[in-house]
Amino acid sequence: GAGVSQSPRYKVAKRGQDVALRCDPISGHVSLFWYQQALGQGPEFLTYFQNEAQLDKSGLPSDRFFAERPEGSVSTLKIQRTQQEDSAVYLCASSLEGSSIFYGYTFGSGTRLTVV
Amino acid sequence: AQTVTQSQPEMSVQEAETVTLSCTYDTSENNYYLFWYKQPPSRQMILVIRQEAYKQQNATENRFSVNFQKAAKSFSLKISDSQLGDTAMYFCAFAQGGATNKLIFGTGTLLAVQP
Repeated sequence: GAGVSQSPRYKVAKRGQDVALRCDPISGHVSLFWYQQALGQGPEFLTYFQNEAQLDKSGLPSDRFFAERPEGSVSTLKIQRTQQEDSAVYLCASSLEGSSIFYGYTFGSGTRLTVV
Repeated sequence: AQTVTQSQPEMSVQEAETVTLSCTYDTSENNYYLFWYKQPPSRQMILVIRQEAYKQQNATENRFSVNFQKAAKSFSLKISDSQLGDTAMYFCAFAQGGATNKLIFGTGTLLAVQP
């Protein structure tokens, strides 16, 4: 597609539920990133894929967070047993090559997760 | 560890005027990149301008320019001829050169352009 598509746009989950957030990167983009943006804060890095390989998951806050990109295209961020502190906007971004940091990424519009 | 600090939570400017947003960062690296991103209510982060640390010349993109002071670790954004569409959150971001691709963001400045 023309841009990075994320779904759902909004998600409300009861505490303890599992959620899955989807990211459709721009076709042909090799690199994919997930960021977490808490209310009133800047985005914080969660994880990075190059094709299907997860090269960096140092930002995942706990073992309840899991990301995958099995075919090197669509990615899913899964959060198990959601907690209130997981409430945030989850942003996905993609770039054509892994070394193109200078050219920036293309971001999606994010999924706003609210845990009640 | 690298950090990015934006000390102005909110700024306001009149349409057609000029405004400067501040950003400082901390790093011991020599090879890095700096960015300003705009985040409108749609939530999509949009790249405004970027700077390579080894370049002394300040980057310029139309009405947007930066004042990059490497020794002071300062990277401010100047918006000239402000337009209503410039109203948004602005984030300063740092990325280390080399294999690391993650961006480190500041906490943002909410810019309101008044008619």
